[in-house]
Amino acid sequence: AQSVAQPEDQVNVAEGNPLTVKCTYSVSGNPYLFWYVQYPNRGLQFLLKYITGDNLVKGSYGFEAEFNKSQTSFHLKKPSALVSDSALYFCAVRSGNNRLAFGKGNQVVVIP
Amino acid sequence: SQTIHQWPATLVQPVGSPLSLECTVEGTSNPNLYWYRQAAGRGLQLLFYSVGIGQISSEVPQNLSASRPQDRQFILSSKKLLLSDSGFYLCASRTGAANVKLFFGSGTQLSVL
Repeated sequence: AQSVAQPEDQVNVAEGNPLTVKCTYSVSGNPYLFWYVQYPNRGLQFLLKYITGDNLVKGSYGFEAEFNKSQTSFHLKKPSALVSDSALYFCAVRSGNNRLAFGKGNQVVVIP
Repeated sequence: SQTIHQWPATLVQPVGSPLSLECTVEGTSNPNLYWYRQAAGRGLQLLFYSVGIGQISSEVPQNLSASRPQDRQFILSSKKLLLSDSGFYLCASRTGAANVKLFFGSGTQLSVL
């Protein structure tokens, strides 16, 4: 069964600094990889996905993620963090079935 | 794109009381529907998914049940709530074999006291 690991509970970053949220996955077969963001008291919003093709995927709000097959990673990145990026970020993986496995989430805190 | 409606937004229920959370989908037909729970300090856990009317798959044994009486309606229920049922419940929808993106509702915060 597929699984996702997000090793850090919380990521603190100063506004304007680069932001990285780590994600590694385990799946049999080709992975479909996703990042979702959850703002306070709201549902999840889709940020970006990797299905096939270019390993660097660009998504909403200036975020991007790099698929690394050898390291089984899909880290989320943003070159310059904003205070409004403070939220809970979830990595997810799906492989060939209807189930989407989520990581436990990372709380990102952007400090002004 | 799809719109997922969930209600209520917040709910406080005593232990042992029944539960019914409703989710409806607009903007698509024949969706795959999902119920997820997000417990405090933990990630999202898939509870149920449905590929069609009356078709429910349960991912984990629990005190909850799900039903799909109509194509775009998905209901999460319990006859008697437990304290451990507290959490944030999210309904999600996906349409088409090639469409891998999930659309989420705004969620229901359930507190069982």
